[in-house]
Amino acid sequence: KAGVTQTPRYLIKTRGQQVTLSCSPISGHRSVSWYQQTPGQGLQFLFEYFSETQRNKGNFPGRFSGRQFSNSRSEMNVSTLELGDSALYLCASISTPNTGELFFGEGSRLTVL
Amino acid sequence: GENVEQHPSTLSVQEGDSAVIKCTYSDSASNYFPWYKQELGKRPQLIIDIRSNVGEKKDQRIAVTLNKTAKHFSLHITETQPEDSAVYFCAASKGGGADGLTFGKGTHLIIQP
Repeated sequence: KAGVTQTPRYLIKTRGQQVTLSCSPISGHRSVSWYQQTPGQGLQFLFEYFSETQRNKGNFPGRFSGRQFSNSRSEMNVSTLELGDSALYLCASISTPNTGELFFGEGSRLTVL
Repeated sequence: GENVEQHPSTLSVQEGDSAVIKCTYSDSASNYFPWYKQELGKRPQLIIDIRSNVGEKKDQRIAVTLNKTAKHFSLHITETQPEDSAVYFCAASKGGGADGLTFGKGTHLIIQP
């Protein structure tokens, strides 16, 4: 069974640009969550989607947005990039909400210059 | 919203000794507390979890304890081995599952030979 797949794995952008990251969950998993990982702040929750609906949202500015498609694949978008957005963005899936384990992807490492 | 504090940020122990990592949470409605292990350059993976109706759970050399009154939970690793070296994250959520998890900032566990 294939794991959580994230693309692209690495990308470099400049301030003011926007970026779109993609996540394909484990087959059959319908819930996708996104996290931002930085050395100083650990894993910070961005948002969670289930059946194309956003169920939870973390404390990030409106420049961070996401969506989920009918096949459970998810994208997140960051507009007007800032230097502080440089981070590893992790996607994770679970089979349905309120069940146990988050399965993480390998992440998309974003560098903003 | 929920706030999870994790201590210490770095823990160095001799191989074979025990290691204890502690977390506190702020929202008394939280009812699910997992621990994730992230080895260098790899994705976080669930190692053990506990729900609020249980005070302690063990899995071989790993155990987690929960004190709901004090709102803190701890990870105990006995007979530490080199492969235990990693960053460990505690987390909490209200939904009984892994959606909307709030993570601590992580503990870098170093096993000294």
